[in-house]
Amino acid sequence: GENVEQHPSTLSVQEGDSAVIKCTYSDSASNYFPWYKQELGKRPQLIIDIRSNVGEKKDQRIAVTLNKTAKHFSLHITETQPEDSAVYFCAAIPNQGGKLIFGQGTELSVKP
Amino acid sequence: EAGVAQSPRYKIIEKRQSVAFWCNPISGHATLYWYQQILGQGPKLLIQFQNNGVVDDSQLPKDRFSAERLKGVDSTLKIQPAKLEDSAVYLCASSLALLAGGRQETQYFGPGTRLLVL
Repeated sequence: GENVEQHPSTLSVQEGDSAVIKCTYSDSASNYFPWYKQELGKRPQLIIDIRSNVGEKKDQRIAVTLNKTAKHFSLHITETQPEDSAVYFCAAIPNQGGKLIFGQGTELSVKP
Repeated sequence: EAGVAQSPRYKIIEKRQSVAFWCNPISGHATLYWYQQILGQGPKLLIQFQNNGVVDDSQLPKDRFSAERLKGVDSTLKIQPAKLEDSAVYLCASSLALLAGGRQETQYFGPGTRLLVL
């Protein structure tokens, strides 16, 4: 079955710097890759997603890139702000089913 | 639009007791998911419904966990009897539909039920 690996597990940046979180997946048939942000004690919130027919997608300060050949995708946050501090999860959906397979999470800390 | 609703928000029980969680998905969403999120980990799917039918329950510990979605809207997840390792947040999510060809609509999560088993 699908397996998603996420790195790093923790990331600390200065306000205004960029942050990059990387994920790899094992099932080449996976076709949908969302990123969720989860603040302490809150629900996971979708921040951006990408489908397998697209290589890159941007939404203001957030971008996601997908390399299908290498089976990895990355989240890029530019001009980080303290309110970006949270745990970020990548996920993938195997082509045959709708369940999300999550990575282990990255705890991002943005220091003012 | 209203989001996914879950109750209770918190539950503390002793091991071997029973507990039930309730989820009301976003109106019109045909697909409903129950995830278990252990502290420090990503959510893991327990069961997936399409309307009132089970699509995937391969990760559900069926000796103690059960779930139903009788009328294709609300769902309940039950644990009987609970074990210490069941302490986790139980997240319900819903999406519009499981589309043909496996194309998946966005999943929206509820606030979760935080379970502590003592």
